[in-house]
This record gives sequence, structure tokens and C-alpha cells, in this order.
Amino acid sequence: RKEVEQDPGPFNVPEGATVAFNCTYSNSASQSFFWYRQDCRKEPKLLMSVYSSGNEDGRFTAQLNRASQYISLLIRDSKLSDSATYLCVVALSGGYQKVTFGIGTKLQVIP
Amino acid sequence: EAQVTQNPRYLITVTGKKLTVTCSQNMNHEYMSWYRQDPGLGLRQIYYSMNVEVTDKGDVPEGYKVSRKEKRNFPLILESPSPNQTSLYFCASKPLAGNTEAFFGQGTRLTVV
Repeated sequence: RKEVEQDPGPFNVPEGATVAFNCTYSNSASQSFFWYRQDCRKEPKLLMSVYSSGNEDGRFTAQLNRASQYISLLIRDSKLSDSATYLCVVALSGGYQKVTFGIGTKLQVIP
Repeated sequence: EAQVTQNPRYLITVTGKKLTVTCSQNMNHEYMSWYRQDPGLGLRQIYYSMNVEVTDKGDVPEGYKVSRKEKRNFPLILESPSPNQTSLYFCASKPLAGNTEAFFGQGTRLTVV
């Protein structure tokens, strides 16, 4: 079983739609969780950290479920500019000493 | 401007010819790391460094070396490159403390023929 699993997609959604991605992790000792965004052939950039209580940043909502060992990302009112690959990142500690990336979920927002 | 700089951005080389990919950051970050990204496998950690003269293996260290003689630089060395090291490489840095963002370089696309 992979340490961090994501559905690679692609998810093709119309503009304005709500889309959700899940990511599961296998190491119950994991402490820190993040969503990164990666545009084609470019470097990953932090989208948002994921906190135990869940957190929201504009149209983006991240949730953590420690009991079931998964994190989720919800994007509301999708924009064309949201088209990218979304990487789930899990670290054993906040210091990134042991960090694992998911393979990413590709999102294509269609006009 | 805060940034992580990798060089070269693109490199085609032949099997067995030693090469170095440089990584430099100007944010005084303690932590630096190297990743390779391959289709279907995602980003995999090669080596990381918690501070000067402190380095440790990631998930796929075979065939690579690193050094951290200065805080700002973390070069990746391929002593004898092989075709299976053809990949997209990213360097990243972040402060050691706290649940903070990692900053990535723009990537180095390496082809070994």
C-alpha cells in the first residue's frame, strides 16, 4: 500500500462546479498535512495547510479525518484558473523530516 | 525576492559523466531537500538537510550524493548518471520550525542517454 494515495484523475468539471478530492495516508503517526498546487511542468506551490479542525481559504476548504486517515480538499465555484494538479503532502512532523507526496490529482475546469 | 534557484534548468548528458545540479536559497532556511518527479510516481524525496553539515537519506537516495557546506547551498551530485535517473528534479527549502510552506525551485529536467 502506498504511503499517500490519491486518485490521479483527471477530473473534468464545468466552470462554477464544486469538486472534492480525497487523499488517504497509511502512517498513523503523521502530524502535518498540506495541499500543494502544481501547474504543468512547474514547481509545486503551497495551496493550504490542513488543520485538525478543518480550515477554509476563500473557495477552498480542507478537512482532516485522523480516525480514517484521510484529508480532503473542496473547491467551490471552480474557475478556469483552478486547472492544475493538486498534490497531497503528508509529513511525520512540521519540520518535513520525512515527507511524502501523493502522485497528485489532475483537475481540468472546462468553460 | 525570496527564491530557490536551481541550475541548470535543462540538461542532457551521457551515462557515466559526473554532473552537479546546484540549488541555492536566499531565505536563510535551515531545511533543504531534493526530490525527483516521475510520471505515475509523484514527487519522491532523494536527500534532505536539516542544517549545515547535516544531511540524511530520503526514499530514493541510491545513485545520488549531496553536501551542505553552507546554509544557502545544497548541490545534488550524480557521480555516474544512468538512464533511470532521467527525471524532473526539484529542490526545496523551508524554515525548520513550524508548520510552514516549503519553497521550491523551478526544477531541473535531466535526460541521461
